[in-house]
This record gives sequence, structure tokens and C-alpha cells, in this order.
Amino acid sequence: GAVVSQHPSWVICKSGTSVKIECRSLDFQATTMFWYRQFPKQSLMLMATSNEGSKATYEQGVEKDKFLINHASLTLSTLTVTSAHPEDSSFYICSASKWQGAAEQFFGPGTRLTVL
Amino acid sequence: GDSVTQMEGPVTLSEEAFLTINCTYTATGYPSLFWYVQYPGEGLQLLLKATKADDKGSNKGFEATYRKETTSFHLEKGSVQVSDSAVYFCALRDKAAGNKLTFGGGTRVLVKP
Repeated sequence: GAVVSQHPSWVICKSGTSVKIECRSLDFQATTMFWYRQFPKQSLMLMATSNEGSKATYEQGVEKDKFLINHASLTLSTLTVTSAHPEDSSFYICSASKWQGAAEQFFGPGTRLTVL
Repeated sequence: GDSVTQMEGPVTLSEEAFLTINCTYTATGYPSLFWYVQYPGEGLQLLLKATKADDKGSNKGFEATYRKETTSFHLEKGSVQVSDSAVYFCALRDKAAGNKLTFGGGTRVLVKP
């Protein structure tokens, strides 16, 4: 149990376009979802934390107008990269926990975004 | 702020060899420590954890002991298998930092038959 999926697994887009990435908890309800970004050979960096029905809390240095996060249901969160540029190319990973403050996070497989 | 440092890979081993991946941390509070594993094409999975000093986490033959005096949480396995080939991430969760997970850079392990 506790499976998290992401869609798409990879996406290529042109500079200036917007891209939406979905994160779904398949067999549990996720009160809290997290979005991470991972550069090649680097750590996962937390971008934002979202609680169902609330606005996301963004980490310092993350542009909330560029990385729009929606957590409208207990099984779905979306990350939209608006007006994407080549420097936004990265590996985006989501995770979900069953309740706010829960110790364990369940991770999705990640989405590779390449902006041309 | 909190940080996690782990040895860079890739680490290439033969089957049945001994594996050690070093991990050290800095934290403002008293963190919980984790090892996650990511198999090819899959999401990160929790491998083991330890919540306080001197605790030993273990799972699937892997072990790590929470050493507060050396701020370390090294991962070990006595005899690796090809199926252990993956990327391993050390991480901490610090209540003083809002319970966020802070990850190390990951270590790729390749086990050859």
C-alpha cells in the first residue's frame, strides 16, 4: 500500500509554455503533499508543502507565481510550471503523507522536465 | 540550517561484497534519521530509520546506527546482491525545522554479478 504516482513521467516543452505535473495517491488519502526538485547528482530540494484545501507553503527562494501548486482533493496535487525556461529543466518529485505532521512520506517516481 | 552529507558515488561492488555508505549531518535540533532507496524507474522508498541516539535501524539486511557523538548515520550491508543496485539517500527530519525532510545528494550503488 501507500503508492504515489506522477504523470507524466517525462515531458519536453518549448520555452514560454506552461507544464502541469500531477501527483496522485492511489490507495490512501494524502492530507499533505510535498513537491521536490532534484538537479543532476544533487539532493532533493523541497519546493513547497501543500495541505488539502489550503494554499501551499513555499520554501524560501521558490517563486510561487512560477510554480503553482494546487491540492484540491485528498488524492491529487498538481504542480504547474508557468512560462517555463531552460533553467526550469529538472527532475520534479512529489511525496504524500497521510496526515499533517506524519513522520513518513511516500514518494512518487518523479517527472523529468526538459525545456527547450 | 540543517544539512546532510553523504559520500559521492557511484559505488561499484561485486556480489556478496560489504557495502558502507557514509552519511553525516548537521541539525539545530534532535533529528530523526532516515535512509531511502530509489530503484530504477521507481520512487524513493523508506529503507530504515532511527529516531534517537544509539538507535539502530535495520531492514533487508541493511543497518545504520544513529551516532550523535559523530553526527553520523552510516549505512551498511554485509553481503550485497545485484538487486541492491539503486540510489541511496540519507535524510533527516528535524522538528525544530518544521518536520521537513532534508536529503543528502544520493549515492548510486552498482552491484555486479
